[in-house]
Amino acid sequence: EAGVTQFPSHSVIEKGQTVTLRCDPISGHDNLYWYRRVMGKEIKFLLHFVKESKQDESGMPNNRFLAERTGGTYSTLKVQPAELEDSGVYFCASRRDSYNEQFFGPGTRLTVL
Amino acid sequence: QQPVQSPQAVILREGEDAVINCSSSKALYSVHWYRQKHGEAPVFLMILLKGGEQKGHDKISASFNEKKQQSSLYLTASQLSYSGTYFCGTVNNAGNMLTFGGGTRLMVKP
Repeated sequence: EAGVTQFPSHSVIEKGQTVTLRCDPISGHDNLYWYRRVMGKEIKFLLHFVKESKQDESGMPNNRFLAERTGGTYSTLKVQPAELEDSGVYFCASRRDSYNEQFFGPGTRLTVL
Repeated sequence: QQPVQSPQAVILREGEDAVINCSSSKALYSVHWYRQKHGEAPVFLMILLKGGEQKGHDKISASFNEKKQQSSLYLTASQLSYSGTYFCGTVNNAGNMLTFGGGTRLMVKP
């Protein structure tokens, strides 16, 4: 089966612009997570979807970040307007219900200039 | 609360062993171990759920102590392919998100 995929792999934007990241989870995985790794720091949780509902969004840094998962399939994470400190690698992970393992995508490297 | 992972970095010769530790101040629901190579997705290695549990495959194994506050990852007879950054991720309650340690960079040299 195909793994978690993320698009784009890299994105370079200027401060104040908007960027949208996409994650396609493994088919049949209702749980979808977004994480972020800022350079030199640990991977940090952003939010968790169960199907199309936001289960936990306690890790979202501020209201410039908007995540959606319409239809409970793929998810998007929009940053608007982007700031310098938003640079980092954004990971998506998915999990099948009643299982514990989370499977990660390759990440999107975001650079804000 | 972020688990504490140690050491931060390890350099090994092929065939040598290494231990990576992950500890929490509170009892955990589970511990997950991942390895990430540069530019790639973190790859799931194993999960430990029960206090006192030990599991592994090939020459990579892990343990979870009885109090479920500490886990160790054991790499024996290391191979070049073991190089990468190892992360422990902890879960406080079933279904919750992972909280990651700072990572351990492992380099295996010929």
